[in-house]
Amino acid sequence: AQSVTQLDSQVPVFEEAPVELRCNYSSSVSVYLFWYVQYPNQGLQLLLKYLSGSTLVKGINGFEAEFNKSQTSFHLRKPSVHISDTAEYFCAVSEAKAAGNKLTFGGGTRVLVKP
Amino acid sequence: DAGITQSPRHKVTETGTPVTLRCHQTENHRYMYWYRQDPGHGLRLIHYSYGVKDTDKGEVSDGYSVSRSKTEDFLLTLESATSSQTSVYFCAISGDVGHRGYGYTFGSGTRLTVV
Repeated sequence: AQSVTQLDSQVPVFEEAPVELRCNYSSSVSVYLFWYVQYPNQGLQLLLKYLSGSTLVKGINGFEAEFNKSQTSFHLRKPSVHISDTAEYFCAVSEAKAAGNKLTFGGGTRVLVKP
Repeated sequence: DAGITQSPRHKVTETGTPVTLRCHQTENHRYMYWYRQDPGHGLRLIHYSYGVKDTDKGEVSDGYSVSRSKTEDFLLTLESATSSQTSVYFCAISGDVGHRGYGYTFGSGTRLTVV
């Protein structure tokens, strides 16, 4: 079974500064990786995903993530954040080619962007 | 979210009563999921479905049952609600990996309070 660890539960950051959210996973098989964002009182929205191919993945709202197989990581970055990026971010993993497409989520990282 | 709706959005119920939450999709996706979200735990899978009448347990299935009699509807039932089941419940849908835009789409959630 796979597991996901998000190393920071909260990340405060100033507006226009860069941010990195760390995600490590463990799995004995090939995986698909995802980042989701949750704005207050809303459902989760897909930011980006890695299925195969280039390890640098670009998503919506200027976010990108890099898959590092040797370090079993999938860190999320944005070079310059806005107030509107204040939200909770979830990293998730599923086993490639496994039945059910089940996702396992990390515990989440709350990002607070300060003016 | 477009293509997936959850009902009700909010519910308060008493301990020991049965409760049913509904998830309805218009995307004709094969897979449907029920997750619960609790602070510090991220999202945890309760049950999922890979087709009509085909369901399976997730990691936190005790006290919950599901049914899927039609492609578009996935019901979650708390057989006898307990205070530990106070949570936010999310439904999600997914196509197959080869489906364009593969990834979960989440509903807006149901906030359930058991008193």
